[in-house]
Amino acid sequence: GDSVTQMEGPVTLSEEAFLTINCTYTATGYPSLFWYVQYPGEGLQLLLKATKADDKGSNKGFEATYRKETTSFHLEKGSVQVSDSAVYFCALSSTTSGTYKYIFGTGTRLKVLA
Amino acid sequence: GAGVSQSPSNKVTEKGKDVELRCDPISGHTALYWYRQRLGQGLEFLIYFQGNSAPDKSGLPSDRFSAERTGESVSTLTIQRTQQEDSAVYLCASSLVGRAGGLRETQYFGPGTRLLVL
Repeated sequence: GDSVTQMEGPVTLSEEAFLTINCTYTATGYPSLFWYVQYPGEGLQLLLKATKADDKGSNKGFEATYRKETTSFHLEKGSVQVSDSAVYFCALSSTTSGTYKYIFGTGTRLKVLA
Repeated sequence: GAGVSQSPSNKVTEKGKDVELRCDPISGHTALYWYRQRLGQGLEFLIYFQGNSAPDKSGLPSDRFSAERTGESVSTLTIQRTQQEDSAVYLCASSLVGRAGGLRETQYFGPGTRLLVL
Protein backbone atom coordinates (compact mmCIF):
# COMPACT_ATOMS: atom_id res chain seq x y z
CA GLY A 1 0.00 0.00 0.00
CA ASP A 2 0.93 3.65 -0.16
CA SER A 3 3.32 4.91 2.48
CA VAL A 4 5.52 7.81 3.52
CA THR A 5 8.89 7.43 5.22
CA GLN A 6 10.75 10.37 6.68
CA MET A 7 13.96 10.61 8.61
CA GLU A 8 13.73 10.19 12.33
CA GLY A 9 14.53 13.07 14.58
CA PRO A 10 15.26 14.96 16.49
CA VAL A 11 17.43 17.07 14.24
CA THR A 12 19.44 19.71 16.08
CA LEU A 13 21.13 22.49 14.13
CA SER A 14 22.78 25.79 14.84
CA GLU A 15 21.20 28.94 13.50
CA GLU A 16 22.06 29.62 9.84
CA ALA A 17 22.90 25.96 9.18
CA PHE A 18 21.61 24.14 6.10
CA LEU A 19 18.63 21.88 6.66
CA THR A 20 17.59 18.71 4.87
CA ILE A 21 14.79 16.47 6.07
CA ASN A 22 14.45 13.38 3.91
CA CYS A 23 11.10 12.03 2.77
CA THR A 24 10.46 9.12 0.44
CA TYR A 25 7.18 7.63 -0.60
CA THR A 26 5.60 4.62 -2.23
CA ALA A 27 2.41 5.07 -4.17
CA THR A 28 0.62 3.78 -7.22
CA GLY A 29 -0.43 6.41 -9.66
CA TYR A 30 0.50 10.04 -9.28
CA PRO A 31 0.22 11.32 -5.74
CA SER A 32 0.41 14.91 -4.57
CA LEU A 33 3.04 15.58 -1.96
CA PHE A 34 2.97 17.92 1.01
CA TRP A 35 5.02 19.19 3.92
CA TYR A 36 3.12 20.25 7.02
CA VAL A 37 4.62 21.99 10.04
CA GLN A 38 3.55 21.97 13.66
CA TYR A 39 5.03 24.78 15.74
CA PRO A 40 5.12 24.34 19.52
CA GLY A 41 1.66 24.70 20.97
CA GLU A 42 0.02 25.20 17.58
CA GLY A 43 -1.92 23.09 15.12
CA LEU A 44 -0.63 21.60 11.89
CA GLN A 45 -0.46 23.88 8.92
CA LEU A 46 0.56 23.42 5.34
CA LEU A 47 4.10 24.52 4.59
CA LEU A 48 4.33 23.66 0.91
CA LYS A 49 3.06 21.21 -1.68
CA ALA A 50 3.74 19.83 -5.16
CA THR A 51 1.17 18.13 -7.34
CA LYS A 52 3.24 16.64 -10.16
CA ALA A 53 6.71 15.37 -10.95
CA ASP A 54 9.49 17.98 -11.05
CA ASP A 55 7.29 20.57 -9.35
CA LYS A 56 9.03 22.56 -6.64
CA GLY A 57 7.04 23.74 -3.65
CA SER A 58 8.41 26.65 -1.68
CA ASN A 59 7.41 28.80 1.27
CA LYS A 60 9.18 30.74 4.03
CA GLY A 61 12.58 29.85 2.57
CA PHE A 62 11.80 26.13 2.55
CA GLU A 63 11.82 24.14 -0.68
CA ALA A 64 11.02 20.61 -1.78
CA THR A 65 11.11 19.10 -5.25
CA TYR A 66 8.87 16.24 -6.36
CA ARG A 67 11.29 13.61 -7.67
CA LYS A 68 9.43 10.76 -9.30
CA GLU A 69 12.58 8.90 -10.31
CA THR A 70 13.73 8.64 -6.69
CA THR A 71 10.22 8.82 -5.16
CA SER A 72 11.41 11.57 -2.87
CA PHE A 73 10.27 14.95 -1.60
CA HIS A 74 13.11 16.15 0.61
CA LEU A 75 12.63 19.38 2.54
CA GLU A 76 15.49 21.90 2.43
CA LYS A 77 16.29 25.32 3.77
CA GLY A 78 19.51 27.16 3.22
CA SER A 79 19.72 28.97 6.56
CA VAL A 80 17.54 27.93 9.47
CA GLN A 81 16.40 30.22 12.25
CA VAL A 82 15.45 29.52 15.83
CA SER A 83 11.83 30.21 14.85
CA ASP A 84 11.93 27.20 12.50
CA SER A 85 12.02 24.87 15.49
CA ALA A 86 8.98 22.66 15.00
CA VAL A 87 7.85 19.21 13.94
CA TYR A 88 7.73 18.65 10.19
CA PHE A 89 5.44 16.09 8.56
CA CYS A 90 5.69 14.77 5.03
CA ALA A 91 2.42 13.59 3.49
CA LEU A 92 0.91 12.33 0.27
CA SER A 93 -2.54 12.16 -1.20
CA SER A 94 -3.53 9.61 -3.78
CA THR A 95 -6.49 7.88 -5.31
CA THR A 96 -6.14 4.13 -5.74
CA SER A 97 -8.95 2.04 -7.20
CA GLY A 98 -11.35 4.84 -6.41
CA THR A 99 -10.26 5.00 -2.78
CA TYR A 100 -8.76 8.23 -1.59
CA LYS A 101 -5.91 8.20 0.90
CA TYR A 102 -4.04 10.93 2.70
CA ILE A 103 -1.00 9.51 4.44
CA PHE A 104 1.33 11.28 6.87
CA GLY A 105 4.86 10.40 7.86
CA THR A 106 5.74 10.09 11.52
CA GLY A 107 7.17 13.59 11.76
CA THR A 108 10.68 14.95 12.27
CA ARG A 109 11.39 17.28 15.16
CA LEU A 110 13.76 20.14 14.35
CA LYS A 111 15.48 22.13 17.05
CA VAL A 112 17.50 25.17 16.06
CA LEU A 113 19.94 26.58 18.58
CA ALA A 114 20.91 30.26 18.72
CA GLY B 1 -15.45 31.33 11.46
CA ALA B 2 -12.71 31.02 8.89
CA GLY B 3 -11.07 27.86 10.14
CA VAL B 4 -11.76 24.39 11.46
CA SER B 5 -12.94 24.45 15.06
CA GLN B 6 -12.96 21.65 17.59
CA SER B 7 -14.49 21.28 21.00
CA PRO B 8 -13.74 20.79 23.74
CA SER B 9 -10.14 21.93 23.61
CA ASN B 10 -9.32 19.75 26.60
CA LYS B 11 -11.13 16.80 28.12
CA VAL B 12 -10.25 14.87 31.24
CA THR B 13 -12.28 11.76 31.87
CA GLU B 14 -12.23 8.64 33.98
CA LYS B 15 -11.45 5.26 32.54
CA GLY B 16 -14.62 3.56 31.35
CA LYS B 17 -16.54 6.74 30.60
CA ASP B 18 -17.73 7.70 27.12
CA VAL B 19 -16.53 10.92 25.45
CA GLU B 20 -17.75 12.84 22.46
CA LEU B 21 -15.52 15.16 20.45
CA ARG B 22 -16.85 17.69 18.00
CA CYS B 23 -15.46 19.13 14.78
CA ASP B 24 -16.83 22.02 12.72
CA PRO B 25 -15.16 22.02 9.30
CA ILE B 26 -14.66 24.98 7.03
CA SER B 27 -17.90 25.80 5.26
CA GLY B 28 -18.00 24.23 1.81
CA HIS B 29 -15.39 21.59 2.55
CA THR B 30 -16.89 18.23 1.69
CA ALA B 31 -14.02 16.10 2.98
CA LEU B 32 -13.42 15.66 6.70
CA TYR B 33 -10.75 13.63 8.49
CA TRP B 34 -10.06 12.57 12.05
CA TYR B 35 -6.56 11.77 13.27
CA ARG B 36 -5.02 10.82 16.57
CA GLN B 37 -1.65 12.10 17.71
CA ARG B 38 -0.14 10.46 20.73
CA LEU B 39 2.51 12.37 22.65
CA GLY B 40 5.70 12.61 20.63
CA GLN B 41 4.31 10.54 17.77
CA GLY B 42 3.02 11.12 14.26
CA LEU B 43 -0.50 11.38 12.98
CA GLU B 44 -2.59 8.24 13.02
CA PHE B 45 -5.47 8.26 10.53
CA LEU B 46 -8.81 7.32 12.07
CA ILE B 47 -11.68 8.02 9.68
CA TYR B 48 -12.49 9.97 6.52
CA PHE B 49 -15.82 11.38 5.32
CA GLN B 50 -16.38 12.47 1.75
CA GLY B 51 -19.75 13.97 0.87
CA ASN B 52 -22.49 11.37 0.93
CA SER B 53 -20.17 8.43 0.33
CA ALA B 54 -19.70 5.74 2.92
CA PRO B 55 -16.95 6.84 5.31
CA ASP B 56 -13.55 5.18 5.26
CA LYS B 57 -13.33 3.72 8.75
CA SER B 58 -10.19 1.70 8.13
CA GLY B 59 -8.17 3.60 10.72
CA LEU B 60 -10.47 3.19 13.70
CA PRO B 61 -8.47 1.22 16.30
CA SER B 62 -11.38 -0.65 17.88
CA ASP B 63 -15.16 -0.87 17.95
CA ARG B 64 -15.14 1.53 20.89
CA PHE B 65 -14.48 4.27 18.35
CA SER B 66 -17.18 5.63 16.07
CA ALA B 67 -17.82 8.83 14.16
CA GLU B 68 -20.71 10.51 12.46
CA ARG B 69 -21.08 13.45 10.17
CA THR B 70 -24.24 15.40 9.49
CA GLY B 71 -24.32 16.11 5.77
CA GLU B 72 -21.29 18.22 4.97
CA SER B 73 -21.07 19.92 8.31
CA VAL B 74 -20.39 18.95 11.89
CA SER B 75 -18.75 15.67 12.80
CA THR B 76 -18.58 13.93 16.16
CA LEU B 77 -16.06 11.32 17.21
CA THR B 78 -17.24 9.11 20.05
CA ILE B 79 -15.04 6.93 22.19
CA GLN B 80 -16.91 4.48 24.40
CA ARG B 81 -15.53 2.94 27.58
CA THR B 82 -12.37 5.02 27.39
CA GLN B 83 -9.02 3.46 28.25
CA GLN B 84 -5.82 5.14 29.35
CA GLU B 85 -4.22 4.36 25.98
CA ASP B 86 -6.88 6.57 24.35
CA SER B 87 -5.13 9.61 25.85
CA ALA B 88 -3.94 11.71 22.91
CA VAL B 89 -4.69 14.81 20.87
CA TYR B 90 -7.53 14.20 18.44
CA LEU B 91 -7.22 16.30 15.31
CA CYS B 92 -9.87 17.10 12.76
CA ALA B 93 -9.13 18.43 9.28
CA SER B 94 -11.22 19.38 6.28
CA SER B 95 -10.51 19.92 2.60
CA LEU B 96 -12.21 20.76 -0.67
CA VAL B 97 -12.90 18.17 -3.31
CA GLY B 98 -12.16 18.91 -6.92
CA ARG B 99 -14.98 18.59 -9.40
CA ALA B 100 -13.18 15.84 -11.23
CA GLY B 101 -12.73 13.97 -8.01
CA GLY B 102 -9.07 14.75 -7.90
CA LEU B 103 -8.47 14.96 -4.22
CA ARG B 104 -5.22 16.85 -4.31
CA GLU B 105 -6.21 19.44 -1.79
CA THR B 106 -4.64 20.92 1.26
CA GLN B 107 -5.99 19.79 4.58
CA TYR B 108 -6.87 22.50 7.08
CA PHE B 109 -6.47 21.36 10.64
CA GLY B 110 -8.33 22.35 13.75
CA PRO B 111 -6.52 23.03 17.02
CA GLY B 112 -7.30 19.56 18.33
CA THR B 113 -8.90 18.15 21.44
CA ARG B 114 -6.48 16.99 24.09
CA LEU B 115 -7.97 13.95 25.81
CA LEU B 116 -6.64 12.61 29.08
CA VAL B 117 -8.06 9.39 30.48
CA LEU B 118 -7.29 8.87 34.13
